[in-house]
Amino acid sequence: NAGVTQTPKFRVLKTGQSMTLLCAQDMNHEYMYWYRQDPGMGLRLIHYSVGEGTTAKGEVPDGYNVSRLKKQNFLLGLESAAPSQTSVYFCASLGNGEETQYFGPGTRLLVL
Amino acid sequence: AQSVTQLDSQVPVFEEAPVELRCNYSSSVSVYLFWYVQYPNQGLQLLLKYLSGSTLVESINGFEAEFNKSQTSFHLRKPSVHISDTAEYFCAVSDNYGQNFVFGPGTRLSVLP
Repeated sequence: NAGVTQTPKFRVLKTGQSMTLLCAQDMNHEYMYWYRQDPGMGLRLIHYSVGEGTTAKGEVPDGYNVSRLKKQNFLLGLESAAPSQTSVYFCASLGNGEETQYFGPGTRLLVL
Repeated sequence: AQSVTQLDSQVPVFEEAPVELRCNYSSSVSVYLFWYVQYPNQGLQLLLKYLSGSTLVESINGFEAEFNKSQTSFHLRKPSVHISDTAEYFCAVSDNYGQNFVFGPGTRLSVLP
């Protein structure tokens, strides 16, 4: 049982490049989340999903897109990366009727 | 809408001293409350949570937090800290459906020898 995994662990992009971050969970959780973590700001919700095929915007969705084609995977896309998107990205999942989110180890993204 | 305030961004403390990390929240509905810990270069791990019942909750490594509804607080305490407690601590709140999570900005605890 691997829990929540994230790929890649670290990435450097140039401004304007695109990339996709992958989150996978093997706990059959309904809910999945993407957060970004910046110094002094805690975690801010980018997008989330309440089930396969559904997504919704969080607090800071601009510049990101997501997809949940399979229940166990939640993808976060950056179509045209900007330096302001330099951050650490965390994925989390939550089981239906449960209270505790489980977090992945994070992806550190640097946009030059 | 819910919000979480952690007034102390950094807390330095000597080893074996007591510590309190403060958390206040605001919400118009009943909430669940959480403390998560993040060790360097790792993801967040649940430390403890309050859902209902006893207002004092404890973790396996000696931390405790008390839910105070009248003061809308959920402060984290430990009577004697260790070097290994050095980490960033996040307070979080969610609604009673376990959704709509909101995290505080975090408190960096540094335990000094």
